[in-house]
Amino acid sequence: AQSVTQLDSHVSVSEGTPVLLRCNYSSSYSPSLFWYVQHPNKGLQLLLKYTSAATLVKGINGFEAEFKKSETSFHLTKPSAHMSDAAEYFCVVSDPSGNQFYFGTGTSLTVIP
Amino acid sequence: GAVVSQHPSRVICKSGTSVKIECRSLDFQATTMFWYRQFPKKSLMLMATSNEGSKATYEQGVEKDKFLINHASLTLSTLTVTSAHPEDSSFYICSARGKTSGELFFGEGSRLTVL
Repeated sequence: AQSVTQLDSHVSVSEGTPVLLRCNYSSSYSPSLFWYVQHPNKGLQLLLKYTSAATLVKGINGFEAEFKKSETSFHLTKPSAHMSDAAEYFCVVSDPSGNQFYFGTGTSLTVIP
Repeated sequence: GAVVSQHPSRVICKSGTSVKIECRSLDFQATTMFWYRQFPKKSLMLMATSNEGSKATYEQGVEKDKFLINHASLTLSTLTVTSAHPEDSSFYICSARGKTSGELFFGEGSRLTVL
């Protein structure tokens, strides 16, 4: 079975400082992992995905994530936060068939000017 | 990336009426579409999975007669909330998965308010 745990429900950073959003997964198989961002009253936008290629995945808007199998983690990072990064972030794992997706509970990122 | 269009973005209706929400994949064929409901400051709750040309698979606790899902073509799925009540007020989001891609592409969401 697959599951995702986002360790922080809220993260607050100052503009220009690094961002770290944590995600741990549980999967019986080699997982496909995704990070999505949701701005208020909007749908979800894909930031990046891991599908068993390079363990360090680069995404849009300067975000990247590293797949660490030994730690069952897929943490999202960005070197320098922008005000526009303030949003809700979801870590997602899919089953091998790609027919079922398991969402984390989300992390709300606040960026302080 | 691929585009999924969801319409309407906001709808207000009276209690007892039905509301239809459309989800279209604009530049790819979506073999599978998903419908979610999202409560304020919460994660997405999967309501049902629909595959083109077949009946939707509903999650436990979701009334299939109340939330009618149709996926008649590879680019369109609809969710109809029948006999809507105020407790059905929520943010509904659709997503689509292409034939070859592994990720989900999401619509912009539809805010339903039932008076």
